Amino acid sequence: DTGVSQNPRHKITKRGQNVTFRCDPISEHNRLYWYRQTLGQGPEFLTYFQNEAQLEKSRLLSDRFSAERPKGSFSTLEIQRTEQGDSAMYLCASSYASGTYEQYFGPGTRLTVT
Amino acid sequence: EDQVTQSPEALRLQEGESSSLNCSYTVSGLRGLFWYRQDPGKGPEFLFTLYSAGEEKEKERLKATLTKKESFLHITAPKPEDSATYLCAVHRSGGYNKLIFGAGTRLAVHP
Repeated sequence: DTGVSQNPRHKITKRGQNVTFRCDPISEHNRLYWYRQTLGQGPEFLTYFQNEAQLEKSRLLSDRFSAERPKGSFSTLEIQRTEQGDSAMYLCASSYASGTYEQYFGPGTRLTVT
Repeated sequence: EDQVTQSPEALRLQEGESSSLNCSYTVSGLRGLFWYRQDPGKGPEFLFTLYSAGEEKEKERLKATLTKKESFLHITAPKPEDSATYLCAVHRSGGYNKLIFGAGTRLAVHP
C-alpha cells in the first residue's frame, strides 16, 4: 500500500442520476477526509472520519451528499440527484489522528454532470 | 473568518530564474501550515509542514519559510519540471481538523 487510491478516476453522468465514489486510504491512517475542488480553486473541505465515526461536516455538504466509512477502512461518497453544479474533482485524503496532521491526497475522481 | 490568500495567481519564469510565492493567512490559532504541489488532473502532493514562526524547510530547489502572518515558497534555479500549481493550506487549532486552502499559484517554468 503506497498511497491513497480513488475509484473511479472519471465519471460522466446525467443530471438527476446518483453517483458513488470510493476511497481507500493509506492503511495505517485512521483519519479520512473528503474535499471538492473546482477549476482554479483550492480544495474545499466536505467531511472527515476518524475510524468509522463521521466527526465533522461542512455546510457545503447538502442533504444530497452522504459519506460512509463502515469499518473504518475504505469510504464512499454518494451524491443523489446530481446537478450540473456538482461537476468538480472529488479528492480523498488520509492522515494519522495525532502527530504531524499531514494529509496525503489521492488522485481524485473527476465528476462531469451533463 | 479563517482565510488563506496566495499571490501571484500565476507566475512565468525562465529556467534558472529564482522567485518566491506568497501565502498570507488569517486563522484563529495556527496548528500548522502546509505546502502542496498539484499537477493538472492529479491530487495535491505533500511538500512541507511548518509549525511556528521562524521555521524553514528545504527540499531540492524549494525552501519554505513561515512568519506570524505569511509563508513564502522560494524556488531556486527552477527547471521546467517544477511547473505546477502550488497550494498553501492552514490547519487551525481548537479541535478543527480540516485544511483551509488558498486558490494556489500556477507556476510555469520555460526552458
